[in-house]
Amino acid sequence: SAVISQKPSRDICQRGTSLTIQCQVDSQVTMMFWYRQQPGQSLTLIATANQGSEATYESGFVIDKFPISRPNLTFSTLTVSNMSPEDSSIYLCSSTGRADTQYFGPGTRLTVL
Amino acid sequence: RKEVEQDPGPFNVPEGATVAFNCTYSNSASQSFFWYRQDCRKEPKLLMSVYSSGNEDGRFTAQLNRASQYISLLIRDSKLSDSATYLCVVYSHTGGFKTIFGAGTRLFVKA
Repeated sequence: SAVISQKPSRDICQRGTSLTIQCQVDSQVTMMFWYRQQPGQSLTLIATANQGSEATYESGFVIDKFPISRPNLTFSTLTVSNMSPEDSSIYLCSSTGRADTQYFGPGTRLTVL
Repeated sequence: RKEVEQDPGPFNVPEGATVAFNCTYSNSASQSFFWYRQDCRKEPKLLMSVYSSGNEDGRFTAQLNRASQYISLLIRDSKLSDSATYLCVVYSHTGGFKTIFGAGTRLFVKA
């Protein structure tokens, strides 16, 4: 199984600022995903990070708010732009594993004041 | 209607009890099914895949009923360490790759 790391593990930010979250996989993977998990809720897919092309965003999420980079097959970043308190959440990256499974990073816990 | 629905619980059971979780999904074209476990303040981790023939892994048994679009997870002889949130996950290739997570069922196992 892939080992995924994320940085930072947590942050507290002021509204109006931006935070970039990094995700590193220990092996080359075709697909990487970014999810948001709000307190007491399940995971919501933000976007699929495609290597060499623009990310594919889910309904309700836009590139201007959540720009994503995928420069190679082991790394991706998610930026949460112009943050508001409603963006306070856990952000998780994942990659695909064997037979449609997914492996997740440990998450980034974001609090926006 | 949510694409994947689970009883949110919480389920409070004593050690040694048998507990069953249910999950229904709305997309009949769904192709792969899983149970994930998520501990408090941790990321989800794959517990087991679910097959039409049913599958068992130690104290855990998962079953899929495609006709009823229903998935179940049975935990026998519950341990304190089983306390977690169990996520029902459905994957579809139709219209692009799509993984849908249920909201999770919270389990508390008490001594």
